[in-house]
This record gives sequence, C-alpha cells and structure tokens, in this order.
Amino acid sequence: DSGVTQTPKHLITATGQRVTLRCSPRSGDLSVYWYQQSLDQGLQFLIQYYNGEERAKGNILERFSAQQFPDLHSELNLSSLELGDSALYFCASSVASGVGYGYTFGSGTRLTVV
Amino acid sequence: EDQVTQSPEALRLQEGESSSLNCSYTVSGLRGLFWYRQDPGKGPEFLFTLYSAGEEKEKERLKATLTKKESFLHITAPKPEDSATYLCAVPLAQTGANNLFFGTGTRLTVIP
Repeated sequence: DSGVTQTPKHLITATGQRVTLRCSPRSGDLSVYWYQQSLDQGLQFLIQYYNGEERAKGNILERFSAQQFPDLHSELNLSSLELGDSALYFCASSVASGVGYGYTFGSGTRLTVV
Repeated sequence: EDQVTQSPEALRLQEGESSSLNCSYTVSGLRGLFWYRQDPGKGPEFLFTLYSAGEEKEKERLKATLTKKESFLHITAPKPEDSATYLCAVPLAQTGANNLFFGTGTRLTVIP
C-alpha cells in the first residue's frame, strides 16, 4: 500500500456519461497530480494541484476538470465520455510542489467506456 | 521540445544475465531524471532521482547512472521478481511545478 488511495478501482460507463474519480494523497503530502495511461500514449500528465490551488496543467481536455479540496483529497471529473477516454487514471502525491520531489502513485482507476 | 526515449521497448533476460536499459533525453536545463518501476495493473513505484552528469545511485540489483544526454539503468544478476516495466521521466519546464514527462518504458522479463 503506497498510502495514496484511489477510488473506484474499476469503472465501466457508457459514452456521453460523466464520472468522478477520487484520490486521497499520502498523509502529509500537499501536492496531487493526475495522469492518464493508455496503451498507445503511455503516461500523460493531466493536472497538478498544490494545497488546493492549480499549479500546472498538461494536455487535459476541456471535458475534464479537477479540484483539490481543503482536506487535500482531489477529484477528477470526466464528462461527455468517449471511447478513447478508456484508460488507467493515476493519482500521485508529493510533499511539495517543487522539482525533485519523488511522486508516490496510487494503484489507479481503470475506466472503460462502452 | 522536451523528449524522452527509452530503449529497448522490451527485453528478455535469463535469470542472472546482467544488462542495461537506456533513457535518452533532450531537455533544456535538466532539473532531474527519475526512474520508476511499474508492475502490470499497478501504479509506478519510485526508484531513483538523478540530478547531474556522473551521478550514480544503487538499490539492490539496480544501479542508475546519468550523463549529459542519457541515463542507464543497470540490472545486475536479475531475478524473476525484477520483471516489470521500467519508466524514466524528466520534469517539464514549468516554474514551480513538478509535472513529469514519461518515456514509454522498457518491458523487462526475467526468465527463471
């Protein structure tokens, strides 16, 4: 157990639907990151939050949004889902935002869009 | 544009057969190079961070080294439990942020 908790572990939903993925960071970590891993793209950075504020954004689609709450847990919202959104979604956390802090990843949420 | 390329894509070794994985990078102003291990269906597990050319770090049968253009992950006398995908990553050039650009990985299989 890495200390980063992601729920649910698996999610199957239909195209056009909306889902919410949840992440609780490791105790003491203030920074949360979301990554998408698909077979053809590898691990792609989506977005980073630090202590409730957005810190960096990657190639995150407009249909996707995220937030980090005062208790530091984070949610990734995916809407108007398409078949191509099927992937593993990972959350990671680190104690700070600066470069050099190794991430701790959660075990991921496997999203299947049918 | 920041780029990370890993080779080979896949590697099969006999138990005890040492080898090296390569990660070549082109970034402006390297701020660290990270190695992770990922088992199927699981999240990547942090292994090492290297910051400057000539730096080396070791953990059990793994040793990571860094030059100005590439990093190597040396695996000495591997065991079947070392089978995994090994990922390298570099921080993207965004001030105050720590988002990483990952390579596509080397899938290592160690045969008993």
